[in-house]
Amino acid sequence: EPEVTQTPSHQVTQMGQEVILRCVPISNHLYFYWYRQILGQKVEFLVSFYNNEISEKSEIFDDQFSVERPDGSNFTLKIRSTKLEDSAMYFCASSARTGQETQYFGPGTRLLVL
Amino acid sequence: TQLLEQSPQFLSIQEGENLTVYCNSSSVFSSLQWYRQEPGEGPVLLVTVVTGGEVKKLKRLTFQFGDARKDSSLHITAAQPGDTGLYLCAGAKIPSGNTPLVFGKGTRLSVIA
Repeated sequence: EPEVTQTPSHQVTQMGQEVILRCVPISNHLYFYWYRQILGQKVEFLVSFYNNEISEKSEIFDDQFSVERPDGSNFTLKIRSTKLEDSAMYFCASSARTGQETQYFGPGTRLLVL
Repeated sequence: TQLLEQSPQFLSIQEGENLTVYCNSSSVFSSLQWYRQEPGEGPVLLVTVVTGGEVKKLKRLTFQFGDARKDSSLHITAAQPGDTGLYLCAGAKIPSGNTPLVFGKGTRLSVIA
């Protein structure tokens, strides 16, 4: 069964450093998302991406964040200068065609900023 | 701001018992998705409900979407220890392929053998 994959599974970084989180969405899906989950809190939407551009972003997704689909398979989230409060699980998700709202999530990347 | 409230927050039951968990909102959602999440892992899709009043069954799990599409419930019959986990509901605001999901905080279920 197709699934969303994410790398790395864990990332430890120093405050102020740049991190890139990688995702491979399900191959025939067209819509891509990033969510985050701070420990003990609910899953929060960050950004959605379609047709090589951002469709929607939340207040969390400020200028320190960016997304890219560098090739036909990968979808990345970059945090330019990490802050302590960026520590969280980051989940990538994908969904199929318009009108198909079901989103399939990857296993997540646990980011720890020291 | 659209919010999804899940109740109860925690539930501990004996194996073989039945249970129902709830997902409520004052807002209308185009669809609701139920996920199960294990510690340190991503949400795993259980079901999507789209039509008001819709009932879907997945083995011992029964999902219902409210007539007004503001609430949903998950009923588990004869719970087993393998049902232990965090159950999340998530709503899509509009019927579009790229609509963000709004998540509830989840119900943490523990089934004791």
